[in-house]
Amino acid sequence: DGGITQSPKYLFRKEGQNVTLSCEQNLNHDAMYWYRQDPGQGLRLIYYSQIVNDFQKGDIAEGYSVSREKKESFPLTVTSAQKNPTAFYLCASTVSERSGNTIYFGEGSWLTVV
Amino acid sequence: EDKVVQSPLSLVVHEGDTVTLNCSYEVTNFRSLLWYKQEKKAPTFLFMLTSSGIEKKSGRLSSILDKKELSSILNITATQTGDSAIYLCAVKSGGSEKLVFGKGTKLTVNP
Repeated sequence: DGGITQSPKYLFRKEGQNVTLSCEQNLNHDAMYWYRQDPGQGLRLIYYSQIVNDFQKGDIAEGYSVSREKKESFPLTVTSAQKNPTAFYLCASTVSERSGNTIYFGEGSWLTVV
Repeated sequence: EDKVVQSPLSLVVHEGDTVTLNCSYEVTNFRSLLWYKQEKKAPTFLFMLTSSGIEKKSGRLSSILDKKELSSILNITATQTGDSAIYLCAVKSGGSEKLVFGKGTKLTVNP
């Protein structure tokens, strides 16, 4: 079945460590996104990519990095520079349609700093 | 900077009540507005509204886009406890694939 797979679902990070969240899609979508969600809050855009080998910063990119070497993969690295990384992270992708876009989400990854 | 504002941020009602959730936006070159329901994990798609499709309905849920007022409402009639969730509004603007979300409205439906 087509979809978006995020891993791991739960991750614990020690302060000062970098961690990488994986996002893979087999939907043949061009655009992919990473969002962060804090408890009781909406989604805030970290990075997005419209095409392979290209990506743009979202509203809260500081302390994060991404790569888009393959169309189906958009990993997110949470670096030690991100001071408050504990949150729920959602990866998503879109297919462009003539009348607009719908977005498909992965199941999310919970990151906790210990 | 593109902006999406939802109100209220939280709402508590009793089963059977009707609720109206609001979403207003300021974006350059509006393309579409989307509503999502989020219970525990990933949001699930509800509606997409565009200039050519300003009103959508599915069962007890309906949504209208007001392009003049730069806003949308999501109505839920005869609410049930299963409607308890965070409802998210997102807007896509032309020229890029950037999708901006509001903070969401947390709806609690009590029996």
